Amino acid sequence: EVQLLESGGGLVQPGGSLRLSCAASGFTFSTFSMSWVRQAPGKGLEWVSGISGSGGDTYYADSVKGRFTISRDNSKNTLYLQMNSLRAEDTAVFYCAKSASGSTTYYFDYWGQGTLVTVSS
Amino acid sequence: DIVMTQSPDSLAVSLGERATINCKSSQSVLYSSNDKNYLGWYQQKPGQPPKLLISWASSRELGVPDRFSGSGSGTDFTLTISSLQAEDVAVYYCQQYYNTPSTFGPGTKVDIK
Repeated sequence: EVQLLESGGGLVQPGGSLRLSCAASGFTFSTFSMSWVRQAPGKGLEWVSGISGSGGDTYYADSVKGRFTISRDNSKNTLYLQMNSLRAEDTAVFYCAKSASGSTTYYFDYWGQGTLVTVSS
Repeated sequence: DIVMTQSPDSLAVSLGERATINCKSSQSVLYSSNDKNYLGWYQQKPGQPPKLLISWASSRELGVPDRFSGSGSGTDFTLTISSLQAEDVAVYYCQQYYNTPSTFGPGTKVDIK
């Protein structure tokens, strides 16, 4: 059974940093691309960042480019999102999502339960 | 970026009746080399993550009830719930994965009338 378990969310002040993690199980982690998708309170879904199975290719939404860094440790079956220079508009539930293939631009067949990031003073 | 729009924003349908949700992309998501539409549909219930219902515009995922169907090609797509059940109350999103960044529609909320 595929499981994705996010952690690392919480309350952070504007300008602060946070690192999200997503522990994956139930599939061959290194074979599939992974992404982070966020959802601001009461709003829709926004793709944030994606990474290839090997970790060699990474992609970012313009809204987070230069501030967020996606990475993965295939030996630990874990996906990460380092978030720096956080802004109030980054407040959202962050979901870890598994691509249905090795391509980073694909549909997402499994999602984690999400972790809430709140940026506020 | 490809912009996805959905209509209506919300709809209320009687139990057992048909619900139809439309999704439009700002450019074609049909890849000519394989004749596939790079379009997915998701269902999100309150407090839950999204769940994939349909990929490639019309391929229903394993375990998804057959009352859910997807259709369309190019820039215009439709998700149909043929006979609405109480458990179908949710927000439905379309997603294009034709290119990066992948983008989602704003969502359509489905309720019981």
